[in-house]
Amino acid sequence: DVKVTQSSRYLVKRTGEKVFLECVQDMDHENMFWYRQDPGLGLRLIYFSYDVKMKEKGDIPEGYSVSREKKERFSLILESASTNQTSMYLCASSPRVRGPGTGELFFGEGSRLTVL
Amino acid sequence: KQEVTQIPAALSVPEGENLVLNCSFTDSAIYNLQWFRQDPGKGLTSLLLIQSSQREQTSGRLNASLDKSSGRSTLYIAASQPGDSATYLCAVHSGTYKYIFGTGTRLKVLA
Repeated sequence: DVKVTQSSRYLVKRTGEKVFLECVQDMDHENMFWYRQDPGLGLRLIYFSYDVKMKEKGDIPEGYSVSREKKERFSLILESASTNQTSMYLCASSPRVRGPGTGELFFGEGSRLTVL
Repeated sequence: KQEVTQIPAALSVPEGENLVLNCSFTDSAIYNLQWFRQDPGKGLTSLLLIQSSQREQTSGRLNASLDKSSGRSTLYIAASQPGDSATYLCAVHSGTYKYIFGTGTRLKVLA
């Protein structure tokens, strides 16, 4: 079974702190994604990566950065956390898209971040 | 621009009932459509993936259909159980790295 593991289920941080959210997948997937999920707004894409050291901005990248130094690991960084970044953060991975039927998404358990 | 809608937003049914959840999308040019389940405070669990060339996909008591021409997918749950209570989301894979999610249907199955 595909496994996507997020390092922290719950975090509480203070405004201005630097926050690292780690995600590891064990199925050799090329693509990895970071989403945030808020009530009434659904899932919104922050960043994605299609290869090691490659990254692309999603719909809401402001205030976030990412790092992908190894294929299995994708990190989300909040350089200076703010209260409006309190949210559920979801990491996902998928194999390379080669046409219909490929590119199935697999999610981690989520990281609930509270910024005080 | 692809938009995905799920109606109703919430649904409450007695145990044992068969039910249908709906997902509508505006652009029929899709790779796949995926149904997920999300329990409170947890991540998304993949239930079914329907390829753009398929009409339906089945897993146990779940059956998902896809009609690209009308921009609709339905998730049919047979003989619902309290353990089926969760939020169900559909996601349209409409570009190499583009997945568009609905806002979900919150299902409660009453014992």
